Amino acid sequence: GDSVTQMEGPVTLSEEAFLTINCTYTATGYPSLFWYVQYPGEGLQLLLKATKADDKGSNKGFEATYRKETTSFHLEKGSVQVSDSAVYFCALRSGNTGKLIFGQGTTLQVKP
Amino acid sequence: DAGVTQSPTHLIKTRGQHVTLRCSPISGHKSVSWYQQVLGQGPQFIFQYYEKEERGRGNFPDRFSARQFPNYSSELNVNALLLGDSALYLCASSSISGRRAYEQYFGPGTRLTVT
Repeated sequence: GDSVTQMEGPVTLSEEAFLTINCTYTATGYPSLFWYVQYPGEGLQLLLKATKADDKGSNKGFEATYRKETTSFHLEKGSVQVSDSAVYFCALRSGNTGKLIFGQGTTLQVKP
Repeated sequence: DAGVTQSPTHLIKTRGQHVTLRCSPISGHKSVSWYQQVLGQGPQFIFQYYEKEERGRGNFPDRFSARQFPNYSSELNVNALLLGDSALYLCASSSISGRRAYEQYFGPGTRLTVT
């Protein structure tokens, strides 16, 4: 079945460092791909998405490119801030359904 | 515009009891999905409903059930609670047409603790 694998955390960075969180997926067909962020004590917020190969999703300085050849959707940010500290989830959706399949999440801690 | 709302925020139940969780979708959204998020893991899909019908079901036992009302709000019911049902229960709503069809917007969740 479909699945998502994320790099294990926690990831600890200093402010203004470059961030990469790896995400790879297994799916039949052509899924849509998402990154969600979860701040402490809150629900999930959609950060960015891409719906077809080579699409780049971007928001708030974060970006990720849908790479069909490597089945990857890595999250990047050029300069992280303390306020980016949260748990990041990669997810996929196959077809027109409400079913998202999530990775296990990666905790990011940014230190001043 | 109000986002997805869920009630209650927190709940403590005893093994064997049942629980009802409630969700109100974003205005205009007709689809509601439920997810279970165990501590330290990603959310797991439980159900999707729209037009008051079940449209998808995850790998959860029959103790879990849900329904959707004419105003598109939804309830998740869990019977015969087990310790392993302790989790954050997330509701997500989406439209079913247009450019953002099936783009899930999540509520803050209900934290269920089973003792």
